[in-house]
Amino acid sequence: KAGVTQTPRYLIKTRGQQVTLSCSPISGHRSVSWYQQTPGQGLQFLFEYFSETQRNKGNFPGRFSGRQFSNSRSEMNVSTLELGDSALYLCASSLGQGAFDGYTFGSGTRLTVV
Amino acid sequence: AQSVTQLGSHVSVSEGALVLLRCNYSSSVPPYLFWYVQYPNQGLQLLLKYTSAATLVKGINGFEAEFKKSETSFHLTKPSAHMSDAAEYFCAVSELGADGLTFGKGTHLIIQP
Repeated sequence: KAGVTQTPRYLIKTRGQQVTLSCSPISGHRSVSWYQQTPGQGLQFLFEYFSETQRNKGNFPGRFSGRQFSNSRSEMNVSTLELGDSALYLCASSLGQGAFDGYTFGSGTRLTVV
Repeated sequence: AQSVTQLGSHVSVSEGALVLLRCNYSSSVPPYLFWYVQYPNQGLQLLLKYTSAATLVKGINGFEAEFKKSETSFHLTKPSAHMSDAAEYFCAVSELGADGLTFGKGTHLIIQP
């Protein structure tokens, strides 16, 4: 059974650009959540999608957005990149809504903003 | 608001010794509690979860955790450490309807040979 797949694994962008990250959940999982991991702030919740609808959103500026497609694949977009956006972005999928079933995480996309 | 405190950013134990990683939580409602492990350059893997059933929860790789409401704690233990246990461990809490998981800062577990 394939796990959660995130692409690309590594990304280098220039300040002011925008970036799109992709996540394919485990087959049959309908919920996809995104987390940002940095050395200073740790793991922080970005947003969760379930059946193509955003259920919850963390405390991040509007530059961070996402969407989910009918096949449950999800993308997140960061516009007008800032140096502080450099982080490991983790996608997690679960069978039902929320984290209660226990997430399965992908290996992440490491974004470096220069 | 929910929060998680992990005592000790680094814990070092000898191979074969008891592993104890501490986690205290704050939640306004009965919480759901989780332990995740992260190996270098990888995502997080679920070790175990507490969802208001048995207070002693057994997980993968020989780990277990006990929910103690009176102490607001959910410490992770393993009787005998193995070199392969060296990793970063995260405790997390979730409340029904809350915005995703709230993670602790993590504890780096070092296993001495």
